[in-house]
Amino acid sequence: DIQMTQSPSSLSASVGDRATITCRASQGIGSDLAWFQQKPGKAPKSLIYAASNLHSGVPSRFSGSGSGTEFTLTISSLQPEDFATYYCQQHYGSPLTFGGGTKVEIK
Amino acid sequence: EVQLVESGGGLVQPGGSLRLSCAVSGFTFSDHYMDWVRQAPGKGLEWVGRSKNKANSYTTVYVASVRGRFTISRDDSKNSLYLQMNSLKTEDTAVYYCTRVFFYVGSGYYPDSWGQGTLVSVSS
Repeated sequence: DIQMTQSPSSLSASVGDRATITCRASQGIGSDLAWFQQKPGKAPKSLIYAASNLHSGVPSRFSGSGSGTEFTLTISSLQPEDFATYYCQQHYGSPLTFGGGTKVEIK
Repeated sequence: EVQLVESGGGLVQPGGSLRLSCAVSGFTFSDHYMDWVRQAPGKGLEWVGRSKNKANSYTTVYVASVRGRFTISRDDSKNSLYLQMNSLKTEDTAVYYCTRVFFYVGSGYYPDSWGQGTLVSVSS
């Protein structure tokens, strides 16, 4: 199975800060990566597909980049509603494995 | 509006069975792949399996930990996806989500919509 490792596991930031989350795959996965946001007690929300494409309705302050084994999710200017846990998931091969999550907290 | 509504969760003893349902609306269900994803209490997300569409022979794939115990099926006439869970273990305790998988030309298949989830508790 392809292992997905996210870092950091948590980060503390202020409204308006730039936040960057990294996701590393245990083998090359091309651009076959998705990002999700989950708030406490809620279902996940799809943010990005194919490493860098925003789903419909996702604010442009979210961006994704990377290919191969290293990927990043960047939030250019954190808003109060962005404080949540973020997960990456590889779609290169079955099983479709998730990273362990990154919790973005308010400083 | 795309809607996915899971049901069927509850408390079951180890070794027991449960069938989850996911009723969908707002899109042509038969065109889409569908996934099940679960989340144990306080833990991260785990992909459980996928049902492909009729055009792809309704092929199903599973994560190893549930293969042989769980079965994904669908009834396109009822716009419903199912997860039959047999031989349940305490480690299957989780919130189970169904997701619509959307095909992006040039990019592939990715989940784009999620249900609210249904809680399955396996305990004696």
